[in-house]
Amino acid sequence: AQTIHQWPVAEIKAVGSPLSLGCTIKGKSSPNLYWYWQATGGTLQQLFYSITVGQVESVVQLNLSASRPKDDQFILSTEKLLLSHSGFYLCAWTGGNSAETLYFGSGTRLTVL
Amino acid sequence: AQKVTQTQTSISVMEKTTVTMDCVYETRDSSYFLFWYKQTASGEIVFLIRQDSYKKENATEGHYSLNFQKPKSSIGLIITATQIEDSAVYFCAMRGTEGADRLTFGKGTQLIIQP
Repeated sequence: AQTIHQWPVAEIKAVGSPLSLGCTIKGKSSPNLYWYWQATGGTLQQLFYSITVGQVESVVQLNLSASRPKDDQFILSTEKLLLSHSGFYLCAWTGGNSAETLYFGSGTRLTVL
Repeated sequence: AQKVTQTQTSISVMEKTTVTMDCVYETRDSSYFLFWYKQTASGEIVFLIRQDSYKKENATEGHYSLNFQKPKSSIGLIITATQIEDSAVYFCAMRGTEGADRLTFGKGTQLIIQP
């Protein structure tokens, strides 16, 4: 069975500080990977997706960047956090077929002060 | 561009009753996929059920079922015999087959099950 692990579970960071969030998926080779962001009480907004190592497509950047250094790993980062970056970040995966269902990790709650 | 609209912000029903949550969508894709997810109090996003646009039969999964009305671009979620633990926020989502790989969500409906 596939498992997706996100880290860290929660972060409290200062405005202007750097950020790195990650997720790892086990039990699935060559997955499509996604980053989503959710403001408190809001909907889920897709930020990035990747279909293969080294290839990342941006949907909405929000002054963030993403990278896929390994087949099973997806990283979300920024060099300078803004207050507006606060929220819930979710990583998701699916197989390579557009018909497949997306499954989500447990998320990282980010508070920027 | 895809769009998913959930007009019901919050619904409150008594335990053991049936509830329907509405969702309408917009897409130019000839083939697409519709999903319902549940977000628990901890934030976890759980997949519940899906409907493929080319299938005429409404999907069912346990005590979840869908009311798919393609001419109206509507995909309602029906939960029968509701339980307290069904209290959560429910999101409708759509994934197309053309253009960028994107799963677009509605704004969600908060469901409150009262004992």
